[in-house]
Amino acid sequence: DAKTTQPPSMDCAEGRAANLPCNHSTISGNEYVYWYRQIHSQGPQYIIHGLKNNETNEMASLIITEDRKSSTLILPHATLRDTAVYYCIVRVRGAAGNKLTFGGGTRVLVKP
Amino acid sequence: DAGVIQSPRHEVTEMGQEVTLRCKPISGHDYLFWYRQTMMRGLELLIYFNNNVPIDDSGMPEDRFSAKMPNASFSTLKIQPSEPRDSAVYFCASSWGLAGTPDEQYFGPGTRLTVT
Repeated sequence: DAKTTQPPSMDCAEGRAANLPCNHSTISGNEYVYWYRQIHSQGPQYIIHGLKNNETNEMASLIITEDRKSSTLILPHATLRDTAVYYCIVRVRGAAGNKLTFGGGTRVLVKP
Repeated sequence: DAGVIQSPRHEVTEMGQEVTLRCKPISGHDYLFWYRQTMMRGLELLIYFNNNVPIDDSGMPEDRFSAKMPNASFSTLKIQPSEPRDSAVYFCASSWGLAGTPDEQYFGPGTRLTVT
């Protein structure tokens, strides 16, 4: 699976949009971008995934650049409950094993 | 569905003792994963099963660790003998795996293991 690079931490204001970047310059054509988050003392939680088109669900939006070498997770209206570590992972969808390899992630602190 | 269930939630044991962690995956999921999380190493995949069969155990740190999945609704991770360096939070996760099905993993609440 391709390696990802994320900033170690970032702050954002409650009610504002949080934009979390992820670089994956070695991504292969059949690899998807997945985002998970881990709220303190809980198990990781799936947020969203995409291949090349932008995606949106009830939790977030995922913007993938045209060359697919980077992406941005957008939390449109951050709340205090969005404080967590966010992990960007690239992997082949449905491949044998569905393995997830977690990096260091971005520690997001939402401030009132 | 109640989600992935793990027990116990907390375990404190002495070095040398046997420890057994338990997991009940979401009904219908055919993949089950065991992860370990420490401050030093982050989240690591230990082993995963597909249809109750171990597929990849390359993440299991050593022979003291073993995992079983006797049926589709139950898995165990055993450490014998336990050592202080095994102290960590152990997560179980499950997912579907068939082509065309959602493959996001659902994680349990974890078991916090402390070995003294």
